[in-house]
Amino acid sequence: EDQVTQSPEALRLQEGESSSLNCSYTVSGLRGLFWYRQDPGKGPEFLFTLYSAGEEKEKERLKATLTKKESFLHITAPKPEDSATYLCAVPFPYALNFGKGTSLLVTP
Amino acid sequence: DTGVSQDPRHKITKRGQNVTFRCDPISEHNRLYWYRQTLGQGPEFLTYFQNEAQLEKSRLLSDRFSAERPKGSFSTLEIQRTEQGDSAMYLCASSLSQTSGGLSYNEQFFGPGTRLTVL
Repeated sequence: EDQVTQSPEALRLQEGESSSLNCSYTVSGLRGLFWYRQDPGKGPEFLFTLYSAGEEKEKERLKATLTKKESFLHITAPKPEDSATYLCAVPFPYALNFGKGTSLLVTP
Repeated sequence: DTGVSQDPRHKITKRGQNVTFRCDPISEHNRLYWYRQTLGQGPEFLTYFQNEAQLEKSRLLSDRFSAERPKGSFSTLEIQRTEQGDSAMYLCASSLSQTSGGLSYNEQFFGPGTRLTVL
């Protein structure tokens, strides 16, 4: 069965302190890896899709990268407004199989 | 606003009652998905439609759950004889299936969710 595992479960950073979130997956025939941001009580907000190993995408302070077994979401100089849960997911083949997410708190 | 909308946003019901939720997808999207999310977990797939056809159902979708998408537009999710374990956030997402260069693109965009509380 396809598995998606995210680490760490929770991460606390000071404003400006860069870090990375990890998403490892076991999927036969990857059809893309998706990153979402979710604020409390709201639906997930689409961030990125990565389709092949070596691919990178950036949006503001976020950069997502993909290898054959895992993806990283790098957060550079985070701000308090980046606090949220970050979810990664893989399609199987159309619906998404999500990890449990990483809850990020950025303090001033 | 041209995003995915869901109604109601919150629903409180008593055990044993029936509830129905509605989802309006992004207008040009042909695929529609329902997910359920409980605290501390990622969304879990329930079912998905391509146009009006229900193509896949999760084993999470017991016979008390039914979903429809008449005419391939909005969708409804009904839960009959609700149980306390049904308490969760119910999320709807939509996507436009397209293929380019051998890759199938399927970015899903989520609505705000319906929070169900079963007392």
